[in-house]
Amino acid sequence: QSALTQPPSVSGSPGQSVTISCTGTSSDVGSYNRVSWYQQPPGTAPKLMIYEVSNRPSGVPDRFSGSKSGNTASLTISGLQAEDEADYYCSSYTTSGTFVFGGGTKLTVL
Amino acid sequence: QVQLQQSGPGLVKPSQTLSLTCAISGDSVSSNSVAWNWIRQSPSRGLEWLGRTYYRSKWYNDYAVSMKSRITINPDTSKNQFSLQLNSVTPGDTALYYCARDRYDIDAFDIWGQGTMVTVSS
Repeated sequence: QSALTQPPSVSGSPGQSVTISCTGTSSDVGSYNRVSWYQQPPGTAPKLMIYEVSNRPSGVPDRFSGSKSGNTASLTISGLQAEDEADYYCSSYTTSGTFVFGGGTKLTVL
Repeated sequence: QVQLQQSGPGLVKPSQTLSLTCAISGDSVSSNSVAWNWIRQSPSRGLEWLGRTYYRSKWYNDYAVSMKSRITINPDTSKNQFSLQLNSVTPGDTALYYCARDRYDIDAFDIWGQGTMVTVSS
């Protein structure tokens, strides 16, 4: 199972919006709405930010939103804040009954 | 509040077996609505899902294809924990290892352990 494809880095200024893409195949992202997104500041464990493509767990700001079209999922962060600077990973359940992660995207808040 | 506490050695010799344990508080390893996973992270591979164990009237395991020949994940109901065993390790298995819970209804990892750095070196 190949890793999902994410851009290595994105950046934005405070208050702006950024979007991170996550491209898979018809065996993972394209097959299910079981796409999730994780935020990982340096030295910490990943934190669930989005599940089932577009749902936010309790406590996650509504500045974080998710969507999917075909084999590509996206995470959008609006109203960027300095505290959003972190690595972001997508994940998908697969038709093989396994999970696959993206390679990660480093978000820099300028 | 669900918490996962990892334990195990940080250094393993090549060709030996890597063994880690994840103790669960606030939930049950035998819960039929969640699964218990091992995930690792390295600069070269990023996040890599290794496998999981879960109970649905009986115990099941799912493993990453790349790991299937070397990995075992076992529940321990008496201690409410689960373990990872990875055989025949090489320096390529050097990574930060996490245990994590995934909820059956959403297939997402909502609770993570603190991580254990494991180095494979003689």
